Amino acid sequence: SQQGEEDPQALSIQEGENATMNCSYKTSINNLQWYRQNSGRGLVHLILIRSNEREKHSGRLRVTLDTSKKSSSLLITASRAADTASYFCATDLSGTYKYIFGTGTRLKVLA
Amino acid sequence: DVKVTQSSRYLVKRTGEKVFLECVQDMDHENMFWYRQDPGLGLRLIYFSYDVKMKEKGDIPEGYSVSREKKERFSLILESASTNQTSMYLCASSLLGLAVNEQFFGPGTRLTVL
Repeated sequence: SQQGEEDPQALSIQEGENATMNCSYKTSINNLQWYRQNSGRGLVHLILIRSNEREKHSGRLRVTLDTSKKSSSLLITASRAADTASYFCATDLSGTYKYIFGTGTRLKVLA
Repeated sequence: DVKVTQSSRYLVKRTGEKVFLECVQDMDHENMFWYRQDPGLGLRLIYFSYDVKMKEKGDIPEGYSVSREKKERFSLILESASTNQTSMYLCASSLLGLAVNEQFFGPGTRLTVL
C-alpha cells in the first residue's frame, strides 16, 4: 500500500481562494516533499520539510508537518489558474534511496 | 538550467517488442530513478541506480531491466512489451545520498503497447 495518501483526491476552487491538501503516511520519515505535476508532464519539486521542522514557507506555499499524526498539509494561498495541477507528497523510506509517492490531489482553479 | 531529458514523449509499440526508454541528466547526479505512473496508483518505483553500473530493484521490477553504463544516462528496457505495460514512464535524478534530496524529473514518456 502507498506510504503517502493525499486528501482530497480532487479539489475545485475559485481563483483567489486558498487551497489546502493533506498527506498522511505510515512509517517514520526523515523528510517529506511536495511536488506539482502539470497535465501530462513531469513532476516539479515545490518544497521539502525535514522531520524536525513543523512549518515551512515558500512564496504562496505553506507546508506543515505533524510527525505525531504522521501527516502534512500543503496550503496554497491566493490561488491562480496557473496553480491547476496535481500535487503529490513524497516521503523517504528511512535508511534507503527510495522516495514513496502518494496518489496525488488534482487541483482545479477556476478563473 | 538543470535538465533531465527523455528520448521520446510518446511511443507506440507492439506486444512482444523490445523497448528502450532513455533518460539523460546534465546535473552530474549520482542517483537516477525510473517510475511508472498510472491513474489512481500514483508513482511506483521500477528501478533505481546510485552509481554507474549499480542498480537496485524498486517495487515493480518484473518485466523490466535497466542499464547504467555512464553516469548521465539511465536506460529502462522492456524485454518483451505487454499491454499491461502501457503507462506513463518518468525518469528522475537526485544528488548522492539516501532519499533526502529533491528529485528532478524528466517530461515523461507515454508508452502505448498494442
